Amino acid sequence: DAGVIQSPRHEVTEMGQEVTLRCKPISGHDYLFWYRQTMMRGLELLIYFNNNVPIDDSGMPEDRFSAKMPNASFSTLKIQPSEPRDSAVYFCASSRRGATNEKLFFGSGTQLSVL
Amino acid sequence: DAKTTQPPSMDCAEGRAANLPCNHSTISGNEYVYWYRQIHSQGPQYIIHGLKNNETNEMASLIITEDRKSSTLILPHATLRDTAVYYCIVRVAGWYGGSQGNLIFGKGTKLSVKP
Repeated sequence: DAGVIQSPRHEVTEMGQEVTLRCKPISGHDYLFWYRQTMMRGLELLIYFNNNVPIDDSGMPEDRFSAKMPNASFSTLKIQPSEPRDSAVYFCASSRRGATNEKLFFGSGTQLSVL
Repeated sequence: DAKTTQPPSMDCAEGRAANLPCNHSTISGNEYVYWYRQIHSQGPQYIIHGLKNNETNEMASLIITEDRKSSTLILPHATLRDTAVYYCIVRVAGWYGGSQGNLIFGKGTKLSVKP
């Protein structure tokens, strides 16, 4: 299994530009999570999906952020317009719901720098 | 807010056991103790989890006190590759949602394994 795949690995953009981060979860997993990590705030849960449906987006910082999951094998996190304070590492994770043995598998992350 | 308390940092000599403590005095009866770690520039990685019995797998052992208010993660023979931030998390297993079900990361313990 290839694990959770995120792209791009690094993204550098200018303030005001649109940024799209991509994630391919592990096949067969029905939960997908987007996290953001900064030095100041640590790892924060932004949004998660179950069976492609957004369940909780209370962690999304503001309307500039949006996430979609058009099918079970693909999700995007979009920032429009981007701002320097959005600079962070964005992680995608997936899981298969189980009785007690579920665990999250994380991707390698996308390092976003907004200049 | 994270429901666990961990020391910010610890050192361990290579080849020795690393014992990482975690306090979770407000843990509920249906909450499990999870441990994840994050090696520099990588996504978090699942290590182990348990409810009340001690658990062991190929990576580590988890010792939970009888009153379940604290636990210890044991890496029996630490190597340099075990240098990472270790997160102790309590959550309800079997569903995701809110502050009980989701993985909420605190600041963790930065473990440095030294030659």
